[in-house]
Amino acid sequence: AQSVSQHNHHVILSEAASLELGCNYSYGGTVNLFWYVQYPGQHLQLLLKYFSGDPLVKGIKGFEAEFIKSKFSFNLRKPSVQWSDTAEYFCAVNGDNRDDKIIFGKGTRLHILP
Amino acid sequence: DTAVSQTPKYLVTQMGNDKSIKCEQNLGHDTMYWYKQDSKKFLKIMFSYNNKELIINETVPNRFSPKSPDKAHLNLHINSLELGDSAVYFCASSLQRTSGGFFLRTDTQYFGPGTRLTVL
Repeated sequence: AQSVSQHNHHVILSEAASLELGCNYSYGGTVNLFWYVQYPGQHLQLLLKYFSGDPLVKGIKGFEAEFIKSKFSFNLRKPSVQWSDTAEYFCAVNGDNRDDKIIFGKGTRLHILP
Repeated sequence: DTAVSQTPKYLVTQMGNDKSIKCEQNLGHDTMYWYKQDSKKFLKIMFSYNNKELIINETVPNRFSPKSPDKAHLNLHINSLELGDSAVYFCASSLQRTSGGFFLRTDTQYFGPGTRLTVL
């Protein structure tokens, strides 16, 4: 069955700490991978995406993610977090077929302490 | 300037009522979606339309009926509202990439601001 698993439901870090949020997926065929962020009270915004090419993808606000095909993973990283990174982060995957639907993970709530 | 807009932003209504949520995108996208985000923030797709054609229809009660008058609009009508319908509903849109008439992939989805529906 198609699924996306985010291992950390709630992460609390201090400012300047390094961040890694795990994401594993189960999806047959070619995949497209996304990380979205939802700041408190706001809608989802795209952080970064992987379609093909270099498996290390750089996104906005200093985030990056690495697609490791052999591990079915697409972990999100940031070397030094800021208080403004406090938000909910969603990993998502879809396939290359027209009626493939995007599947979201259950989200990771990140809380940065000032 | 808003890329994907939804109205209303908040909707409070009584059980049993019928209500609609509207969504419009000005990105020139050909595919639109409705998602439901529950109280635990879990996002689940409900419907997807491509060029006014329904392509994804998840298992949702038939009280929910999407309507796409044109590519830029996808409205969601809900009949006989129930307490369990309380959630945030997000509209999204994307572009399907094609080459020579053949489908390549669905590009990034852009989300609207959401409609918080509260059923009393």
